Amino acid sequence: AQSVAQPEDQVNVAEGNPLTVKCTYSVSGNPYLFWYVQYPNRGLQFLLKYITGDNLVKGSYGFEAEFNKSQTSFHLKKPSALVSDSALYFCAVRDGAGANNLFFGTGTRLTVIP
Amino acid sequence: NAGVTQTPKFQVLKTGQSMTLQCAQDMNHNSMYWYRQDPGMGLRLIYYSASEGTTDKGEVPNGYNVSRLNKREFSLRLESAAPSQTSVYFCASSGGRVRVYQPQHFGDGTRLSIL
Repeated sequence: AQSVAQPEDQVNVAEGNPLTVKCTYSVSGNPYLFWYVQYPNRGLQFLLKYITGDNLVKGSYGFEAEFNKSQTSFHLKKPSALVSDSALYFCAVRDGAGANNLFFGTGTRLTVIP
Repeated sequence: NAGVTQTPKFQVLKTGQSMTLQCAQDMNHNSMYWYRQDPGMGLRLIYYSASEGTTDKGEVPNGYNVSRLNKREFSLRLESAAPSQTSVYFCASSGGRVRVYQPQHFGDGTRLSIL
């Protein structure tokens, strides 16, 4: 069965510092991995995805994520955090074998401190 | 440039009442989804529709029904609301025929409280 774990409920980082939001996954086939961001009272917005190819994926708003197959991880990163990056971040996975379900992690709240 | 539109945005129901949540997308997407979001639990899939005329159960379908009215619209119905259904409900859509690599586009949610 597919699953996604976001081990940190809350991440605090100072503005201008690099940020990392962690995600590990478990799937039965090839993983298709996604990161979404949610701002208050809004729906989720797509940031980036990994399907195949280069392990470093670049996405919207300067975010990137590194796929590590041996560690079954897909951590979200940004070199320099902005206060406007403060939001709730969700990692999600789909089973590449063809399952239709998108499994979400429980979310990590990122707070960037001015 | 509406994307995915959900109505209503807020609703309070009494236990046992029924209600239909509406969702429409203007991106010509084939696939549509209903999720619920509860604190500490992320998003869980209730039902989805791979294409017009088809619907399938997701992870937590009990207590809900859906209708894919046409390609644009996908509604979620609570026949007899229960307090455990208090949640934020999100509709989403994606292009292609349930292609696993297509990201989903979300509406802004319906906040539903059941007393």
